[in-house]
Amino acid sequence: EEELVESGGGLVRPGGSLRLSCAASGFSFGFYPMNWVRLAPGRGLEWISFINGPSEFINYADSVKGRFTISRDNAKSSLYLQMNNLRHEDTAVYFCARDPGGPRSRFDLWGQGTLVTVSS
Amino acid sequence: DIHMTQSPSSLSASIGDRVTITCRASQSIDIYLNWYQHKPGKAPKLLIYAASSLQSGVSSRFSGSGSGTDFTLTISSLQPEDFATYYCQQSHSAPLYTFGQGTKLEI
Repeated sequence: EEELVESGGGLVRPGGSLRLSCAASGFSFGFYPMNWVRLAPGRGLEWISFINGPSEFINYADSVKGRFTISRDNAKSSLYLQMNNLRHEDTAVYFCARDPGGPRSRFDLWGQGTLVTVSS
Repeated sequence: DIHMTQSPSSLSASIGDRVTITCRASQSIDIYLNWYQHKPGKAPKLLIYAASSLQSGVSSRFSGSGSGTDFTLTISSLQPEDFATYYCQQSHSAPLYTFGQGTKLEI
């Protein structure tokens, strides 16, 4: 069964750092572009970062650019999100999501998310 | 950036009702429009991609239409498991994506 499982969330003070992980199983992880998406309390889904299979191309939303870093280890079937200089508004459930590739980009497999709370 | 606007923001309906949710893009996105369903504590689920293609395994109660700037998601006959929040997403500017603000479907 294809599955994504996020981990690494928790409580962190403003200005702090956290590293999220996403473990993939049941498919050839290295072939697929991957994304991070978050859902903040009272708000909608927000895409925050993209990485292609070979890590050749990376993109970020303006809201996290310069503070968050996406990476992946295809040998470990894992996706990561290093979050630095965290702000209150980064409080959210963070999801990893797979793009099956091809011209009609969409997110066809998601994890259940990991909660990040930024609070003093 | 392309801005996505959904309407309504919330919707009350009954079992068996036909429901339509709309999504408007701030500029033409051809058919690069996806629809997702999300329930609290669960993984979001892809329903429709490329405006009208039904994702494998998704009930045929769900259908999508539209192109350019105006899109709709229709649920033909509401079932109890359909009460959730629905989001549209543009992928025209991939790999930079934007979602609509969501439509909460309630009983």
